[in-house]
Amino acid sequence: QSVLTQPPSASGTPGQRVTISCSGSSSNIGSNTVNWYQQLPGTAPKLLIYSNNQRPSGVPDRFSGSKSGTSASLAISGLQSEDEADYYCAAWDDSLNGLYVFGTGTKVTVL
Amino acid sequence: QVQLVQSGAEVKKPGASVKVSCKASGYTFTSYGISWVRQAPGQGLEWMGWISAYNGNTNYAQKLQGRVTMTTDTSTSTAYMELRSLRSDDTAVYYCAREWYSSSGWWFDPWGQGTLVTVSS
Repeated sequence: QSVLTQPPSASGTPGQRVTISCSGSSSNIGSNTVNWYQQLPGTAPKLLIYSNNQRPSGVPDRFSGSKSGTSASLAISGLQSEDEADYYCAAWDDSLNGLYVFGTGTKVTVL
Repeated sequence: QVQLVQSGAEVKKPGASVKVSCKASGYTFTSYGISWVRQAPGQGLEWMGWISAYNGNTNYAQKLQGRVTMTTDTSTSTAYMELRSLRSDDTAVYYCAREWYSSSGWWFDPWGQGTLVTVSS
């Protein structure tokens, strides 16, 4: 089961700013960087943010990430209809033999 | 362009095994690792494990230890994930993803298109 906790849903109207939180612990977010993945309906996940706040080439600057302590957040500014998707945070976890953990996922709806 | 193409959907009976392939193109296969992630219907993402395409080293999620084996064939730039003793709760879409690792972290990009494995009697 997921060890990173996200709100199950978030929504906004076009143009609004939406923020998604991701809560972890000292063994994962507290000691490692956070990544965010976007999963459009019926497709494979896509890397959105890596190393807390870095955007891969091609990702619009409307998407931004931040991290503080054992929590992280993803912000989508200027929300667009094509942003309607599931969003997952993720990080390496140093517990046991080490494993990569994902958040519970947040469904973003554009109203 | 960098691409990971996975094998097609599978239907298996409980207790059987499944082997999913992931063929890489557009980059030097042995310079990156491959992770496998699965997603049960309507559920979130679960990391299954990782294999180095350079030397074959692996790191499996503890809950799958003993049932999963990840391998690579560098001659064809293909990674494989075999899961044995299948149960109904192994029904999921299985993804491969190229691993990026640096001093600033560990992430996956790109991902394969996914392979649906259905376990049903």
